[in-house]
Amino acid sequence: EAQVTQNPRYLITVTGKKLTVTCSQNMNHEYMSWYRQDPGLGLRQIYYSMNVEVTDKGDVPEGYKVSRKEKRNFPLILESPSPNQTSLYFCASSPSRVVADQPQHFGDGTRLSIL
Amino acid sequence: GDSVTQMEGPVTLSEEAFLTINCTYTATGYPSLFWYVQYPGEGLQLLLKATKADDKGSNKGFEATYRKETTSFHLEKGSVQVSDSAVYFCALRGNTGGFKTIFGAGTRLFVKA
Repeated sequence: EAQVTQNPRYLITVTGKKLTVTCSQNMNHEYMSWYRQDPGLGLRQIYYSMNVEVTDKGDVPEGYKVSRKEKRNFPLILESPSPNQTSLYFCASSPSRVVADQPQHFGDGTRLSIL
Repeated sequence: GDSVTQMEGPVTLSEEAFLTINCTYTATGYPSLFWYVQYPGEGLQLLLKATKADDKGSNKGFEATYRKETTSFHLEKGSVQVSDSAVYFCALRGNTGGFKTIFGAGTRLFVKA
């Protein structure tokens, strides 16, 4: 089954404790992206990757890191989480890096609570 | 920069009522337009899309027409069901800015039996 898989689905942690949210897709997609969803703000892009070893900042990259060492994986790293990063996070992918009319495929989300 | 504005919710309707969720956009160039739906506890799923002016996207009884003259992409359904209760997001994706998808804030729909 074609899918985007995120782990964990839920995490409660404390300020300053490094964490990683994994994202993996099995569709051989070139383009991958991370979003955060907050009430009244919709989804805002954190980082995106147009291919292996190619990543770039989205609209709200502060406090986050990413890497794209393999085509299928795109982990999101919070080196020193803070309470304002409490949110619902989504990973998404689409087939090609240069075609705007392709929709994105989304994972089921990761709800992070930073205390 | 590019942006999407959609009507605030929640929208509460009775079953079989007509649905309209308004969406307008600002963008440079000629973006593709999308409606995504999010059911509770799930990620977003593509509902429909339109890639150029006057295109009509349709799926599961939902429709939306790409109106370049009014920069709009309103979502409509003639007869909603309880199972349509969800959050609906209007979005655009252009050929610049890293092919980023810009989302509206989302509109929550409740359908009562």
